[in-house]
Amino acid sequence: GAGVSQSPSNKVTEKGKDVELRCDPISGHTALYWYRQSLGQGLEFLIYFQGNSAPDKSGLPSDRFSAERTGGSVSTLTIQRTQQEDSAVYLCASSPGRRDTQYFGPGTRLTVL
Amino acid sequence: TQLLEQSPQFLSIQEGENLTVYCNSSSVFSSLQWYRQEPGEGPVLLVTVVTGGEVKKLKRLTFQFGDARKDSSLHITAAQPGDTGLYLCAGGGGADGLTFGKGTHLIIQP
Repeated sequence: GAGVSQSPSNKVTEKGKDVELRCDPISGHTALYWYRQSLGQGLEFLIYFQGNSAPDKSGLPSDRFSAERTGGSVSTLTIQRTQQEDSAVYLCASSPGRRDTQYFGPGTRLTVL
Repeated sequence: TQLLEQSPQFLSIQEGENLTVYCNSSSVFSSLQWYRQEPGEGPVLLVTVVTGGEVKKLKRLTFQFGDARKDSSLHITAAQPGDTGLYLCAGGGGADGLTFGKGTHLIIQP
């Protein structure tokens, strides 16, 4: 079956521009996670969605970051006014339920010039 | 905040050698997971260890969970070039997401 897909696979943008990253979870998975992977920090958790419930946004790095999940399926992570320190690989994962194995997508590599 | 420290950070060995990588924490985890990640891909789960003292084997890979559930190790026997990758340990999960170590970059040279 299809795994988690993410688009775009690569995104190069200029400092100050807004970007949208998309995640399509595995069909039927109710839990969806966003992580960020950078050279210095490793893999860090950003935000979690369970179905259509409102997420806890406290893990987002700054108020320039926002995320939504429509219809309990597709999710978008938006970064406004991008900064160079936002350059990283953004990974999405989904799981059947809250405590189940997480399956990761291939990630979106974001480069802010 | 629960932290996971992995060592070594980098390891380059010859094909056929054995190796061990470590994952340590000052916190107790209900379970720990090991992932392997290749360039351009997301992490893929190798194993989950749940019980203190547990040993799990996956072909040439042996995973151990410490008795106190604060540490874990991954031992690879007779390493092969196909074992090359980034090995990550992780704990937690659920609404707080997984906490990952920074990983061990493993290179197996033919």
